[in-house]
Amino acid sequence: GDSVTQMEGPVTLSEEAFLTINCTYTATGYPSLFWYVQYPGEGLQLLLKATKADDKGSNKGFEATYRKETTSFHLEKGSVQVSDSAVYFCALAPRRRSNFGNEKLTFGTGTRLTIIP
Amino acid sequence: AAGVIQSPRHLIKEKRETATLKCYPIPRHDTVYWYQQGPGQDPQFLISFYEKMQSDKGSIPDRFSAQQFSDYHSELNMSSLELGDSALYFCASTPRAVLSPNEAFFGQGTRLTVV
Repeated sequence: GDSVTQMEGPVTLSEEAFLTINCTYTATGYPSLFWYVQYPGEGLQLLLKATKADDKGSNKGFEATYRKETTSFHLEKGSVQVSDSAVYFCALAPRRRSNFGNEKLTFGTGTRLTIIP
Repeated sequence: AAGVIQSPRHLIKEKRETATLKCYPIPRHDTVYWYQQGPGQDPQFLISFYEKMQSDKGSIPDRFSAQQFSDYHSELNMSSLELGDSALYFCASTPRAVLSPNEAFFGQGTRLTVV
């Protein structure tokens, strides 16, 4: 079945450091890939997405490129801020396989990121 | 813009009691999902509905049931609650797939504590 393997946390960085959170996936075909962020006590918010190979998703200084050849979707940010402290989830959704609704998301285990001033 | 609304935000129940969680998806979204997130865990898919019919089923215990109503809101019913049911329960909805790469919009979640 589909699966997402995500870099174990927690990750602690100093402000303005470079961030990479690794994510690899296993799926048939060409899934859509997502990064969701969860701030303390809140729900999941979509951070960025990519729907086909070589697509780059970007938002709020974060980027991730859909790499079909390495089945990866690593999250990067050049200079992190204290406000980026949160839990980050990589997720995938397969291509819609029927006319009977969208496909569910499969999540990685999440990476807790703490940025210290 | 309207978001996914869940109620209640917090719920405390005793073992063996029942609980009902409600979800109001974004208007015109055609698929609703329920996820369970245990402490420090990733969200686990429970069940989904497409146009008021169950479309997929994940690791939902037999003690749980869910349905989607004519106004598209959904309810997750949980009976014979166990301590291990304590978790954050998320509802999500997605717009029609032909227009979207399955982007899911999540509610704030209901935190259920079973004591």
